[in-house]
Amino acid sequence: EVQLLESGGGLVQPGGSRTLSCAASGFTFSSYAMSWVRQGPRKGLEWVSVISDTGETTFYADSVRGRFTISRDNSKNTVHLQMHSLRAEDTAVYYCAKAWLNGVNGVSFYYWGQGTLVTVSS
Amino acid sequence: DILMTQSPSTLSASVGDRVTITCRASQSISSWLAWYQQKPGKAPKLLIYWASSLESGVPSRFSGSGSGTEFTLTIYSLQPDDFATYYCQQYHSYSTFGGGTKVEIK
Repeated sequence: EVQLLESGGGLVQPGGSRTLSCAASGFTFSSYAMSWVRQGPRKGLEWVSVISDTGETTFYADSVRGRFTISRDNSKNTVHLQMHSLRAEDTAVYYCAKAWLNGVNGVSFYYWGQGTLVTVSS
Repeated sequence: DILMTQSPSTLSASVGDRVTITCRASQSISSWLAWYQQKPGKAPKLLIYWASSLESGVPSRFSGSGSGTEFTLTIYSLQPDDFATYYCQQYHSYSTFGGGTKVEIK
């Protein structure tokens, strides 16, 4: 059974930093891209970032490029999202997702974790 | 960026109804489209990929169609478990989601 367990959410001050982690199990982690998608309060879904199976390729949404960094450790079946210069509009539930890249830069999502809430507020 | 527009934003229906949700892309995305179901407090669940391919384990009453810029998700004979919010998502270029359609009990 696929399991994705996010951690690291919490209250952060504007301008602060936070690192989210996602522990994966139930599938061959090193064979899949992994992604982060967020959902703001009473809002829709927004893709944030994706990392290829090897970690060699990463893509970011314009809204987070230059502030967020995605990484993975295939020896530990984990993916991370380092977030810097956080803003109020980054407040959201952040979902980790088992993903698929279409060979160019399109990404879709096979399976999602339950999410971790990040609140950016003073 | 590719903009995805869903309609309606809310839909009221009864058990047994046929429900259709429309998604329009701001440019052609071929068939690079997925549909997800989300229930309150839960993560989204993949229903349809490549516009019309049913994800394993998803009931056959769910059906997707379309290509280019116009897509539809049809639920044949709505069941109590189907009351939820549905999102379309393009993956032709990066990823963008539609605004969602909430299917409510009439």
